[in-house]
Amino acid sequence: AQKVTQAQTEISVVEKEDVTLDCVYETRDTTYYLFWYKQPPSGELVFLIRRNSFDEQNEISGRYSWNFQKSTSSFNFTITASQVVDSAVYFCALSEVVRYGNKLVFGAGTILRVKS
Amino acid sequence: ETGVTQTPRHLVMGMTNKKSLKCEQHLGHNAMYWYKQSAKKPLELMFVYNFKEQTENNSVPSRFSPECPNSSHLFLHLHTLQPEDSALYLCASSQIQGAGTEAFFGQGTRLTVV
Repeated sequence: AQKVTQAQTEISVVEKEDVTLDCVYETRDTTYYLFWYKQPPSGELVFLIRRNSFDEQNEISGRYSWNFQKSTSSFNFTITASQVVDSAVYFCALSEVVRYGNKLVFGAGTILRVKS
Repeated sequence: ETGVTQTPRHLVMGMTNKKSLKCEQHLGHNAMYWYKQSAKKPLELMFVYNFKEQTENNSVPSRFSPECPNSSHLFLHLHTLQPEDSALYLCASSQIQGAGTEAFFGQGTRLTVV
């Protein structure tokens, strides 16, 4: 069965600090997709990134970067020079194909608090 | 218009009430989903609809009844709920092209059952 583990329940940092959110996954599929979503206090989940299992290149988007390591089944997310607006719950997810749809299996989420 | 819109944003209902949650997507996607987010469990998929056909039901109790009249609208009909059903109900949509397409979520309906 698919499983995603986010061991960090809550992280607090001071503005401008770098912070890394950990994600470890389990799957028996050889082809799979991983996602990160951000959930601000307003409630909606905001898509941040998608990574497929064949692409192990790290990706950087502004202050965000992602480190995908298949050998350790990890897909970690780093925010550089954190800002108060980064405060949110961050979810890592693994996609599983179901009949005519995609099911996202989510981790428990990591609450990030950035203090000024 | 935002991509996925849910109404109402907040709902308080008694255990004997019947209510419905509404979701509308303006993205032209062909699949829509209901997810449940409660305090004690990770986000979990409840239902998947594709072209009005329900293709997934994750052992959801029958007091939750989905309806998908067309590819843009999704409802969740609620009746005789229990206090433990209090949660954030999130609607999502995606364009199905294998497993890699991201889902877009609405802001959710915060449901409280009293």
